[in-house]
This record gives sequence, structure tokens and C-alpha cells, in this order.
Amino acid sequence: QKEVEQDPGPLSVPEGAIVSLNCTYSNSAFQYFMWYRQYSRKGPELLMYTYSSGNKEDGRFTAQVDKSSKYISLFIRDSQPSDSATYLCAMRSGGYNKLIFGAGTRLAVHP
Amino acid sequence: EAGVVQSPRYKIIEKKQPVAFWCNPISGHNTLYWYLQNLGQGPELLIRYENEEAVDDSQLPKDRFSAERLKGVDSTLKIQPAELGDSAVYLCASSSTGGYSYNEQFFGPGTRLTVL
Repeated sequence: QKEVEQDPGPLSVPEGAIVSLNCTYSNSAFQYFMWYRQYSRKGPELLMYTYSSGNKEDGRFTAQVDKSSKYISLFIRDSQPSDSATYLCAMRSGGYNKLIFGAGTRLAVHP
Repeated sequence: EAGVVQSPRYKIIEKKQPVAFWCNPISGHNTLYWYLQNLGQGPELLIRYENEEAVDDSQLPKDRFSAERLKGVDSTLKIQPAELGDSAVYLCASSSTGGYSYNEQFFGPGTRLTVL
């Protein structure tokens, strides 16, 4: 079993929809939770990160972490065709520890 | 500000041939990472440098892979000899050092390697 599980999709939604992307994990030592976005033929770019449990909002994006359930989510409001990409969750424990990535969920937002 | 630069972008070689990838990180970033990304998977760390020192290379297959970061700036990742299973995208990333900086890694576009 992988440390981080993520549904690969693809997920297809109409423009303007609310998108929910999720990851589950097994390592209770994880403290930092990241969401990266990767466009085709590009490297990943950080969208946002959260420390421990709770919510964090940045524009149309909201990240949620539920450590008791070992479950994290990314919500995208008013989705746009430009949001079409692969979304990777990543997490690590404290101090330095390498990022453990999920497999990524492919999202397509159609006009 | 220039991002992480990688070259070449694409490489096709025959098995058993050597191959090298080059990375120039963002100016001022002391931490440099090499990742392997297989199709449909997330990146997996191969090696991390803090300045010139390789501080985490536990995932690097040392029988055929080697890396160096001379002068603490550019880095080169080499495979010799390449195998069919090495076909993947090799990503370089850089970040500032310490604390929350490790969460924000800046990735290059990657080198897509095909081994025939």
C-alpha cells in the first residue's frame, strides 16, 4: 500500500463547477500538506500548503486537512478551462523530510 | 526571475548507452533536488543537495546513476548504462533551505528520456 493514495481520474467538469480533489495517507507523522498543479509537459508548481489540520483559502482554491481521518482535500470554485491540469498532493513530516507525492488527479474543465 | 532550467528537454537513446541531464537552479537556492516521474505517477525523489553536499541519496540506484553538483550551483545527473525501465521524466527542482522552504519547491520542465 502506498503512503499517499490519490484517485487518478480523469475528472471532467463544466466551466463554473466546484471541483473537489482528495488524497488519503497512512503516515501519521505527516505535518505539511501541499497541492501542486502540473500542466502537460511542464514541471509541478506549488498552489498552496497547509500545516497540520484546518482550512486554508487562496482565491478560488481552498485546502482542507483532517488529520484524524488522514484525509486532505482541495476545492476549486468557479472552475475555469485554464484549471485543466494534473493536481498532485504532497506531504512530509517535520524537520526536513522528503515530499511524498500522490499519483495526481487529471482534471479537465470544459467550456 | 528565471526559473529552473533543464536540458535537454527530450532524449532518445538505445539501451546500454550513457546519458546525462543538466540542471541550473533558481539563483540563490541552495537546495537542489532530482526527481523521477513515471507516466501517471507523482515525482519520486532521487537525490537532494544542500549546496555541494548530497544529503539524501537513499533512492538513487547507485550502480548505474550518479550525480554531482560542483560549486553548489548547476547539477548533472548521469545514467550509465541506461536500461529500458529508465524511460521516464527526470525533474530538477530547487528551493531555499530550511523550515517551510522545503514545501515550496520550484520545478524545471523536466527531461523526457526514452530508452529503446
